Formats: sequence, structure tokens, C-alpha cells
Amino acid sequence: ETGVTQSPTHLIKTRGQQVTLRCSSQSGHNTVSWYQQALGQGPQFIFQYYREEENGRGNFPPRFSGLQFPNYSSELNVNALELDDSALYLCASSLPTGDYGYTFGSGTRLTVV
Amino acid sequence: AQRVTQPEKLLSVFKGAPVELKCNYSYSGSPELFWYVQYSRQRLQLLLRHISRESIKGFTADLNKGETSFHLKKPFAQEEDSAMYYCALRGRGSTLGRLYFGRGTQLTVWP
Repeated sequence: ETGVTQSPTHLIKTRGQQVTLRCSSQSGHNTVSWYQQALGQGPQFIFQYYREEENGRGNFPPRFSGLQFPNYSSELNVNALELDDSALYLCASSLPTGDYGYTFGSGTRLTVV
Repeated sequence: AQRVTQPEKLLSVFKGAPVELKCNYSYSGSPELFWYVQYSRQRLQLLLRHISRESIKGFTADLNKGETSFHLKKPFAQEEDSAMYYCALRGRGSTLGRLYFGRGTQLTVWP
């Protein structure tokens, strides 16, 4: 059984640039959620993808977007990066309702300078 | 609105002492509560969930709907319990599948 894998592990971008983060879900899980964790804070829900469609969104602007692929892997895209986007981005895979739990990846540390 | 509050950012105890990590929540409805733990250099992982009513690594947590609390307790702390602990609430209805996290409590157990 494979866990959740995220890439890259670290990334440095310049303000105004665009970034794509990737996540492969755990075997058997068809739902992927993305969370942003700023320094000293708990993870905040960005959005969730199920059957290749966005299935719930938190309080994040449209420049945060995502994709889910037929193999259930997912991407998080952030356009027009701002300094406040610097954070750890976590991906979690699960079944659609979250029953039986969520498996988290190790995260991608994004620094915007 | 859903909210999870962990009032203590840092908590230190000596080995063998009891420990209680506080968690309060606000949610209109019947919530499902969790405790997640993150050990140094490891990923976030589930410690326990209230519906299971189980004890994991000696930790227990009881959901108190009257006080809207879900405090995590362990009677005798161990050094290996040192970690970051997050209380989380799972939404229902339109927010089903989302987790709402508190800001976390860093527990340090001294030898």
C-alpha cells in the first residue's frame, strides 16, 4: 500500500510568478484535499477534488486552482504569487466523505520572495 | 461558523506527569472530532477520533457537547509523546469531507 507523495518538497518562487504542486493519493483513495499551513498555524482547507471536479472550497481566492487526474493524483496551482502564500502545502487523500480517515503527505514548503 | 480553538501554543510537562491538551470547538450540528499528531520530521497522522472511543498510546479524549470541548488526556506522559498536536473537526452537510484544524499545541515532555 502506497502513501501520499507530494512534490517538490521545497520551492522558492518570486512574487507574481505561478507555481504547480503535485500530489499522488494513497492506493484506494479517490478524493484529494489540499491544505495551506502558515507558520505557527493549523492547516487550512483550500479545496477538495473528487471525480476530477472541485467538490468543496475554503476561503481562498480564485488564483488558487486545482486539477485531479483519472488516476486520482492532483495538482494545486497558484497564480500571481504573493508573499503571504509562503506556507507548507499539505495534500490529503481519502474516500469522499472522509470516512475511514485521511492520509496526509509530507507537504511542499513554498517560499515566495 | 466552524471553529476549533487550542488555547495553549506550548505545553511542557515532566515524564510521568499527567497531561491535558485543551480543545474547544464551535459548530452548529453534531461534529466529528479528531486529534492529529505530528512527530518531529514526520507527517501529520491521526491519533484518535471521538466516535471510536478508543485509547491510543495511552491517550484518551472525551467529547463534551455541553462544554463544546474535546480535550486530550494522558495520565503519565512519556518523552516520546513530545510532538505537535492538532485538534480537528470534520464538517457535515455542505462541508462534508473538510477538516477544520486548531492552531496546534506543541507538547514537550522533559526527562
